Amino acid sequence: AQRVTQPEKLLSVFKGAPVELKCNYSYSGSPELFWYVQYSRQRLQLLLRHISRESIKGFTADLNKGETSFHLKKPFAQEEDSAMYYCALGSGGYQKVTFGTGTKLQVIP
Amino acid sequence: ETGVTQSPTHLIKTRGQQVTLRCSSQSGHNTVSWYQQALGQGPQFIFQYYREEENGRGNFPPRFSGLQFPNYSSELNVNALELDDSALYLCASSQSDRDLHEQYFGPGTRLTVT
Repeated sequence: AQRVTQPEKLLSVFKGAPVELKCNYSYSGSPELFWYVQYSRQRLQLLLRHISRESIKGFTADLNKGETSFHLKKPFAQEEDSAMYYCALGSGGYQKVTFGTGTKLQVIP
Repeated sequence: ETGVTQSPTHLIKTRGQQVTLRCSSQSGHNTVSWYQQALGQGPQFIFQYYREEENGRGNFPPRFSGLQFPNYSSELNVNALELDDSALYLCASSQSDRDLHEQYFGPGTRLTVT
């Protein structure tokens, strides 16, 4: 069975501080990992996916198959980063996506 | 280009009743996935439709069923509603069923079962 674990429900950081949102997964096949973000009063949207290996809004995430992790990082938090972040695992050959329970990031001015 | 829309925005039903939720895909998208998001949880995959056929299903009982129409809009039907069905129901559309391309989410329908 596939599972995504986000251990922190809430992460509070000061503006300008580094951010790391943790995500661990369990999956026997070759995973596709994603980070989705939901800003206040907005829809859930894709932030980044591991196969793209890109940086979006200053965020990066590296897939570590040895540690089965896909942590989301940003060197300097900004107030506009405050949102709900969901780590997600794609599998099954079709678009079944398994989401974690989410971490609320709160950036303190 | 129009985004994903869902209707109604919210509704209240009584236990045992049936409900139909609707989703209009983003223009050009042929795949729709439905998710249930309980309070404080991440979205849970219910099923996916590709070109009017169910293409995959999560761990939901048969009383959760769906349809996709030739214009790729979709319905989620839930029979014999239970209190635990109270949740936000999200649909997401995408262009392909075979690659995990970007899914575009709708705003959701908030269902309350009393």
